[in-house]
Amino acid sequence: DAKTTQPPSMDCAEGRAANLPCNHSTISGNEYVYWYRQIHSQGPQYIIHGLKNNETNEMASLIITEDRKSSTLILPHATLRDTAVYYCIVRLMIKAAGNKLTFGGGTRVLVKP
Amino acid sequence: NAGVMQNPRHLVRRRGQEARLRCSPMKGHSHVYWYRQLPEEGLKFMVYLQKENIIDESGMPKERFSAEFPKEGPSILRIQQVVRGDSAAYFCASSPRRLQQERYGNTIYFGEGSWLTVV
Repeated sequence: DAKTTQPPSMDCAEGRAANLPCNHSTISGNEYVYWYRQIHSQGPQYIIHGLKNNETNEMASLIITEDRKSSTLILPHATLRDTAVYYCIVRLMIKAAGNKLTFGGGTRVLVKP
Repeated sequence: NAGVMQNPRHLVRRRGQEARLRCSPMKGHSHVYWYRQLPEEGLKFMVYLQKENIIDESGMPKERFSAEFPKEGPSILRIQQVVRGDSAAYFCASSPRRLQQERYGNTIYFGEGSWLTVV
């Protein structure tokens, strides 16, 4: 699976949009971009994923650049409950052995009042 | 995280005892994954199983650790002769069979974890 690069930490003001960048310059055509987050002492929570088109759901939006080498997760209105470590993961989908997720260090997001 | 059930949530074992962690996947899911998170560290993949088959165990320690996912019942992660270094959070996750993939892929959902403390 391609590796990802994320900033180790970032702060965000409550009520403002949080834009979390991720670089995946070696991504292949068969790899999806997944985002998860882990709130302290909880299991990882799925947020969103995409292949090449931008995606939006009730939690967030995912913007993938045209060359697919980077993406941005957008939390439109951050709340204190969004404080967590956010993981950007690229995942190979074409074979069973590639189904697993490989977590990096993620971005520790602190939402401040 | 809804649907993936892990138990026990917290387990205390003395050094040398055995620990058994159970995981029931989401309804309709037949793939199970186990991850370990040591204190203040990241999530590390351990093993990936389908019913009655181990697909990928590249992250499993060579000794004392084993995993199974029988035809009936939950997946079990078994740690024999536990040592203090086994103290960690163990997360189980599940995903659908490939023939039942969701629209864009095979999303993996995690449980809330089992916290093992070895004293």
